[in-house]
Amino acid sequence: EPEVTQTPSHQVTQMGQEVILRCVPISNHLYFYWYRQILGQKVEFLVSFYNNEISEKSEIFDDQFSVERPDGSNFTLKIRSTKLEDSAMYFCASSVEAANTGELFFGEGSRLTVL
Amino acid sequence: SQKIEQNSEALNIQEGKTATLTCNYTNYSPAYLQWYRQDPGRGPVFLLLIRENEKEKRKERLKVTFDTTLKQSLFHITASQPADSATYLCALLTSGTYKYIFGTGTRLKVLA
Repeated sequence: EPEVTQTPSHQVTQMGQEVILRCVPISNHLYFYWYRQILGQKVEFLVSFYNNEISEKSEIFDDQFSVERPDGSNFTLKIRSTKLEDSAMYFCASSVEAANTGELFFGEGSRLTVL
Repeated sequence: SQKIEQNSEALNIQEGKTATLTCNYTNYSPAYLQWYRQDPGRGPVFLLLIRENEKEKRKERLKVTFDTTLKQSLFHITASQPADSATYLCALLTSGTYKYIFGTGTRLKVLA
């Protein structure tokens, strides 16, 4: 069964360092998302991406964050200068249809620990 | 302010019984509502979607209701099994947006 894959599964970094989290969405999907979940808290929307551009972003997704789909298969989330509060599980998701009709397929997540 | 509330307390039920989980929302007008299952350390897995003009949706042992007047969705698992133990998340989408907003989730434990 097709699945969303994410790498790395766990990354430890020092505060102020840049981090890139990678995702390979399901191949025929058109809509891509990043969510995050701080330990013990709810899943929070970061950004949605369609047709090679951001379609919506949350207040969390400030100038330190960026997304890219560089080669038609990978979908990346970059955090330019990590802060302690960026420590969380980051989930990539994709959907084949517009978000308002289709289910979201989530990856298994990348756990980011900022020291 | 906008809120999506799910039972923060864990729900323990006996195997074979029906589990009922609640999702209440305020200051939203969702066009769509989804339910997901999340196991510890894993990504959410889609279960069911219901639209604002639908009252009820079923899939095998799962049933979802959506009452836009009460601003509430109920999620039922009939003939529950220990394998149903997980955290269940509701997620809302308002028309014209591209983001599902998730509730905090309810942890369900089915006791053998």
